[in-house]
Amino acid sequence: AAGVIQSPRHLIKEKRETATLKCYPIPRHDTVYWYQQGPGQDPQFLISFYEKMQSDKGSIPDRFSAQQFSDYHSELNMSSLELGDSALYFCASSPSRGSEPYNEQFFGPGTRLTVL
Amino acid sequence: GNSVTQMEGPVTLSEEAFLTINCTYTATGYPSLFWYVQYPGEGLQLLLKATKADDKGSNKGFEATYRKETTSFHLEKGSVQVSDSAVYFCALSEFEGGGADGLTFGKGTHLIIQP
Repeated sequence: AAGVIQSPRHLIKEKRETATLKCYPIPRHDTVYWYQQGPGQDPQFLISFYEKMQSDKGSIPDRFSAQQFSDYHSELNMSSLELGDSALYFCASSPSRGSEPYNEQFFGPGTRLTVL
Repeated sequence: GNSVTQMEGPVTLSEEAFLTINCTYTATGYPSLFWYVQYPGEGLQLLLKATKADDKGSNKGFEATYRKETTSFHLEKGSVQVSDSAVYFCALSEFEGGGADGLTFGKGTHLIIQP
């Protein structure tokens, strides 16, 4: 079965540089979520999009922005990178809620960002 | 705000031992509850879920029951295997009308099963 695709899988940047992470959801999933997982930490929710509109916002820094495009893929743009931004960034996708009280989220393999 | 508290790890057990990983939560409403598993170098996989009080989620021999009176969702397995070694995250999601609610995770419990 098709899964969530994230690219690149690994990324190395210098401080103050910019980075763009991409996420391709499972086909027919219209909702995308971004999470940040620091070393040995739990994933922290950053932001989500439903039908190309921002839906929920978590602890996303002002230096980060994201959007969802017409083909439902999403990009997380990160500027003025700091050492503390080094982390694993997960994207998840889900289908429309329907009658369920929750959106089951399917996670991608993550992008490991290292800021030097 | 919402929060999830789960037991600290690492938890080290012998193969075929009984497993319990405690999880309690705080939420303003009526959340859905999840257990996710993360194998080394991989993403998060949904292990099981429950959406209302007294629901029991189960998968691959793991079980957890949604206890509203104790705000708990403890993970159990009767006989663990070496292949169960991983990090387990308890999580909740609370429907607030937005439709795409982020998950709130616990800190994770690293489980190590020795042969």
